Amino acid sequence: DGGITQSPKYLFRKEGQNVTLSCEQNLNHDAMYWYRQDPGQGLRLIYYSQIVNDFQKGDIAEGYSVSREKKESFPLTVTSAQKNPTAFYLCASSIDGWNTGELFFGEGSRLTVL
Amino acid sequence: GQNIDQPTEMTATEGAIVQINCTYQTSGFNGLFWYQQHAGEAPTFLSYNVLDGLEEKGRFSSFLSRSKGYSYLLLKELQMKDSASYLCAVRDSNRDDKIIFGKGTRLHILP
Repeated sequence: DGGITQSPKYLFRKEGQNVTLSCEQNLNHDAMYWYRQDPGQGLRLIYYSQIVNDFQKGDIAEGYSVSREKKESFPLTVTSAQKNPTAFYLCASSIDGWNTGELFFGEGSRLTVL
Repeated sequence: GQNIDQPTEMTATEGAIVQINCTYQTSGFNGLFWYQQHAGEAPTFLSYNVLDGLEEKGRFSSFLSRSKGYSYLLLKELQMKDSASYLCAVRDSNRDDKIIFGKGTRLHILP
């Protein structure tokens, strides 16, 4: 079955630690995205990648980093520079970044900083 | 700038009809999406409008007026499982076609 897999589903981190969230898709989609969701807030775009080996900052990229070495993988690192990292993180993909394709989402990763 | 507005919460009765409105102001426009999100889960795609008019898909319909920067999602024959958040999102053609989300409308269905 095609889809997007995020892991881990739940993650706890101590302040000052970096953590990497995994996102893998087997939909053969070119574009991948990371969003952050906080209570009462909409989804806010962190980073996106329209093609392998290329990615762009979204609206709230500070304190985060990504890589896109393979088409199917788009990991997100939450660094210690992110001031308020506790949130629900959603990875998504679309056929490509330029046409009308909708976003397909993973199940999400809930990060809690202790 | 960009802004997508939708009501924070709505309540409706099982079996009834509810309309969730969304207004948007974005620098460019290349389509509007509606997503459904149950608590703690990922959003799932409901509808897409890029031209003015009504798109119907079963119990759900979505309407778009580009000149007014306005859309609505219409849910008919409400069921308890329709209790969820409904997210309006716009693809902004002036920002690399990024999809920008509103804050969502939490819909409560009463028996």
